[in-house]
Amino acid sequence: KNQVEQSPQSLIILEGKNCTLQCNYTVSPFSNLRWYKQDTGRGPVSLTIMTFSENTKSNGRYTATLDADTKQSSLHITASQLSDSASYICVVKDSNSGYALNFGKGTSLLVTP
Amino acid sequence: ETGVTQTPRHLVMGMTNKKSLKCEQHLGHNAMYWYKQSAKKPLELMFVYNFKEQTENNSVPSRFSPECPNSSHLFLHLHTLQPEDSALYLCASSQEGHRAYEQYFGPGTRLTVT
Repeated sequence: KNQVEQSPQSLIILEGKNCTLQCNYTVSPFSNLRWYKQDTGRGPVSLTIMTFSENTKSNGRYTATLDADTKQSSLHITASQLSDSASYICVVKDSNSGYALNFGKGTSLLVTP
Repeated sequence: ETGVTQTPRHLVMGMTNKKSLKCEQHLGHNAMYWYKQSAKKPLELMFVYNFKEQTENNSVPSRFSPECPNSSHLFLHLHTLQPEDSALYLCASSQEGHRAYEQYFGPGTRLTVT
């Protein structure tokens, strides 16, 4: 069973609207959590990375939150743009796994005019 | 651009062919990775090289053979592949000790095995 679950699997929103993507994880012991954006046909690009002590981090219109107690994270996108259409991947690293990361399957976001 | 380049971007090969994927990073990192990304599945780590030494091999079939001649270049040699090996192959690099091993990904090679 995957240790990182994302919801929804896919999402369609109108340009200019806000949206929130969810990530639940069971990875333990926790080291850090990252959100990546992957455009079609491209490699993932890091948006944010948060450690245990951080519960909010922003990168422009992207704001990630982390609740390490409930093992949940969210990525909020404000005033969406057509260029936000992509897959958003939640990635969690545990403290004992060396270089290995735990990847979610991603949420596919489509922003329409 | 992330500073990690991959060639070719697209590859179609038959099951009896031999081909190689190339990755180059221009970030001065000391660790490089190969990942497989299949539709509807999470990224799967295949190999990790740290300072040119292979540190992880996640039970990858021997028809995939990595090579890391120096800390900037990484190859994935392919031979006698199966159709289920069709996927996006991503290379990444990171700097040990920097931002919790934040990984920078290349654009990937879209591989189709016929």
